[in-house]
Amino acid sequence: EPEVTQTPSHQVTQMGQEVILRCVPISNHLYFYWYRQILGQKVEFLVSFYNNEISEKSEIFDDQFSVERPDGSNFTLKIRSTKLEDSAMYFCASSGHRESIDEQFFGPGTRLTVL
Amino acid sequence: QQQVKQSPQSLIVQKGGISIINCAYENTAFDYFPWYQQFPGKGPALLIAIRPDVSEKKEGRFTISFNKSAKQFSLHIMDSQPGDSATYFCAARKSTSYGKLTFGQGTILTVHP
Repeated sequence: EPEVTQTPSHQVTQMGQEVILRCVPISNHLYFYWYRQILGQKVEFLVSFYNNEISEKSEIFDDQFSVERPDGSNFTLKIRSTKLEDSAMYFCASSGHRESIDEQFFGPGTRLTVL
Repeated sequence: QQQVKQSPQSLIVQKGGISIINCAYENTAFDYFPWYQQFPGKGPALLIAIRPDVSEKKEGRFTISFNKSAKQFSLHIMDSQPGDSATYFCAARKSTSYGKLTFGQGTILTVHP
């Protein structure tokens, strides 16, 4: 069964450092998302990506964040200068064609710890 | 107006019992309401979803009840099993959105054997 994969599973970084979180969405999907979940809290939308551009983003997704689909298979989230409050679980998700956009498949997540 | 409010925060049920989790929303532009199940260390997984044109949807032991006028929807888990112990999130999406899901706070369900 196809699945969304994410690497690394856990990333520890120092405050102010750049991190790149990587995702491989399901191969024939067209819509890609990043969400985050601070420990014990709800899942929050960060950004959606379609046709090689951002289609929607939240207030959380400020200039420190960027997304890229560099090679047609990977989908990355970059945080330029990490802050303590960026510590969270980051989930990548993908969904298929417009008719099946509803069903989003989530990856297992990357736990980001900022020290 | 973008919030989805979920209750209870935690729920303990005996095996074989019925688990009920409730959600309420304000934004009438929401037109798709999924429930996600999340096990520790895993990403959320779609469990069941409903659109406002129906008042109920059932899949196996899982049922969504939807009340459009009250802007509320709920998940019922019949014959709850210990394997159902997980965190459950309701969510909502607007038709004009490119898939952005707005999640509720989550409910930690524990089913005792």
